[in-house]
Amino acid sequence: DTEVTQTPKHLVMGMTNKKSLKCEQHMGHRAMYWYKQKAKKPPELMFVYSYEKLSINESVPSRFSPECPNSSLLNLHLHALQPEDSALYLCASSPGGTNEQFFGPGTRLTVL
Amino acid sequence: RKEVEQDPGPFNVPEGATVAFNCTYSNSASQSFFWYRQDCRKEPKLLMSVYSSGNEDGRFTAQLNRASQYISLLIRDSKLSDSATYLCVVNPFGTSGTYKYIFGTGTRLKVLA
Repeated sequence: DTEVTQTPKHLVMGMTNKKSLKCEQHMGHRAMYWYKQKAKKPPELMFVYSYEKLSINESVPSRFSPECPNSSLLNLHLHALQPEDSALYLCASSPGGTNEQFFGPGTRLTVL
Repeated sequence: RKEVEQDPGPFNVPEGATVAFNCTYSNSASQSFFWYRQDCRKEPKLLMSVYSSGNEDGRFTAQLNRASQYISLLIRDSKLSDSATYLCVVNPFGTSGTYKYIFGTGTRLKVLA
């Protein structure tokens, strides 16, 4: 299994909703990442988990809350989002910190 | 100066042409370099890692010039399916493994029939 999966593919939510994005990999990778990508821009790093511990938080607003339940799973909990948070949310994993990252297909989020 | 810089393009080239992209990076201690391609509304996909000795995969050749701090991607015999955005990615801290990859803004390529 050489892929990263993400669910859901699309999500529409109101500003008062609470939702979660899910990411899974079974490649034994020790690092997992959340990125946000706006149209015509490169991915923007949000969080990094290394060995299931949060190692990087790029000053992301607290309405985004990551969670790493185990070495294969990564969640992103969303609460009280703003319309400007609408974007493609990408999960990635890598064997370690210097290796290639492999991206999931992303969740396209629309906040109304 | 940005940490990783790319010419945004777009590069419009005819099928069969050879096209080259450059990417410059500012941190001379950087150790890991990659090229990704991203199709519209899709995730980035790894195209090639870039090694000091240069590497080739079919029609694609990647090279690293440490002295001038740039990496390049050469695509020979362009196909319509090569149309995409090509992202240059640098891990500025190499073996210390800080996990923070720096993305260039991407170069758009359109191959024309």
